[in-house]
Amino acid sequence: NAGVTQTPKFQVLKTGQSMTLQCAQDMNHEYMSWYRQDPGMGLRLIHYSVGAGITDQGEVPNGYNVSRSTTEDFPLRLLSAAPSQTSVYFCASSLLWPSNQPQHFGDGTRLSIL
Amino acid sequence: DAKTTQPPSMDCAEGRAANLPCNHSTISGNEYVYWYRQIHSQGPQYIIHGLKNNETNEMASLIITEDRKSSTLILPHATLRDTAVYYCIVRSYNNNDMRFGAGTRLTVKP
Repeated sequence: NAGVTQTPKFQVLKTGQSMTLQCAQDMNHEYMSWYRQDPGMGLRLIHYSVGAGITDQGEVPNGYNVSRSTTEDFPLRLLSAAPSQTSVYFCASSLLWPSNQPQHFGDGTRLSIL
Repeated sequence: DAKTTQPPSMDCAEGRAANLPCNHSTISGNEYVYWYRQIHSQGPQYIIHGLKNNETNEMASLIITEDRKSSTLILPHATLRDTAVYYCIVRSYNNNDMRFGAGTRLTVKP
């Protein structure tokens, strides 16, 4: 059981480049989300999805796009990377939403924007 | 949502129980207490959660006071691999934002 899988683990981009961070889960979870983690700021919610075809914004959505075409996958797109987007990005999922069930996290993508 | 207060750091001897406290004095009746940990360079790992009753699983026990204003995570026999930052989070079932604070850095020593 792989759980939540994120790729790549590390990435270096130049300012203005675009890229997609991949997230996949094999637990048939309806809810998926993206967070960024910066020193001293904890986790901040970027975007989330309560099911295939449904997405919504979190606390810090600017500069990021998402889509949810399947239950398993929830990619995060940076259209034009900026140095302020240098961070560690985590994808998480939970079985249902709303629910008291816990979210399970992937191991993150460490992204540096030069 | 209620905020939590945790000590910034704690030490524990290997093989002993680690007791990590968390204060959540403004918790609401429909808010659950969750514990996660983050080992360096890895994603947050879910440990346990509860509403008002004590809970136990294969990883840990969660003790919630009767007034629900504080809780304690207990790792019964700490190992070196339990060295991590431990986060206490409270949220209601319909709040999807996991607000991780600074957490407690637990160091398990030989």
